[in-house]
Amino acid sequence: DADVTQTPRNRITKTGKRIMLECSQTKGHDRMYWYRQDPGLGLRLIYYSFDVKDINKGEISDGYSVSRQAQAKFSLSLESAIPNQTALYFCATSDPDRGLVDEQFFGPGTRLTVL
Amino acid sequence: AQSVAQPEDQVNVAEGNPLTVKCTYSVSGNPYLFWYVQYPNRGLQFLLKYITGDNLVKGSYGFEAEFNKSQTSFHLKKPSALVSDSALYFCAALNTGGFKTIFGAGTRLFVKA
Repeated sequence: DADVTQTPRNRITKTGKRIMLECSQTKGHDRMYWYRQDPGLGLRLIYYSFDVKDINKGEISDGYSVSRQAQAKFSLSLESAIPNQTALYFCATSDPDRGLVDEQFFGPGTRLTVL
Repeated sequence: AQSVAQPEDQVNVAEGNPLTVKCTYSVSGNPYLFWYVQYPNRGLQFLLKYITGDNLVKGSYGFEAEFNKSQTSFHLKKPSALVSDSALYFCAALNTGGFKTIFGAGTRLFVKA
């Protein structure tokens, strides 16, 4: 969905490096999410934010942190990357208050490789 | 623990034949149910959802899904498969009043010409 963008699209880094993945949206949605996708495991929620002042841990938040800089921006950081954080990362948005019943809109993903 | 299961890693079907991608859920209450599709190098795209009412839900690209409360299932169907339907399909559930959508592991659909 072009309304949700992620940068970078691909990143290769080394163990121990700090990495930031960025997500921007023009949909005007309040809720934003970070997921990681691993083969055979589907999508797992890392963090979610319901507005700029509300940030919550998901099921696999260890080793990650987030920042909600504005309604439109939600960044994911890996403070010290490790190889098992190699995955495809997705940002998503939703806005149930608009009657969409939490249908989520996904960015194109960031493929992260930690060597 | 709440979960969504997609029992088939892969489904193979010939073009023109009907397809079914299976999903069962274990989520409290009366959850909202979703199907998403992921094409290569793309994010997930919403296909359809069940909230309440008619057990047969119609969605994008000719897909439909059948909700069965007694079997806690929400299978994705299409009467006639196209090669372009080949993709990774995810079932998901959100319990009413909850905040987090639970995704299945995904099922890869191959449609052969």
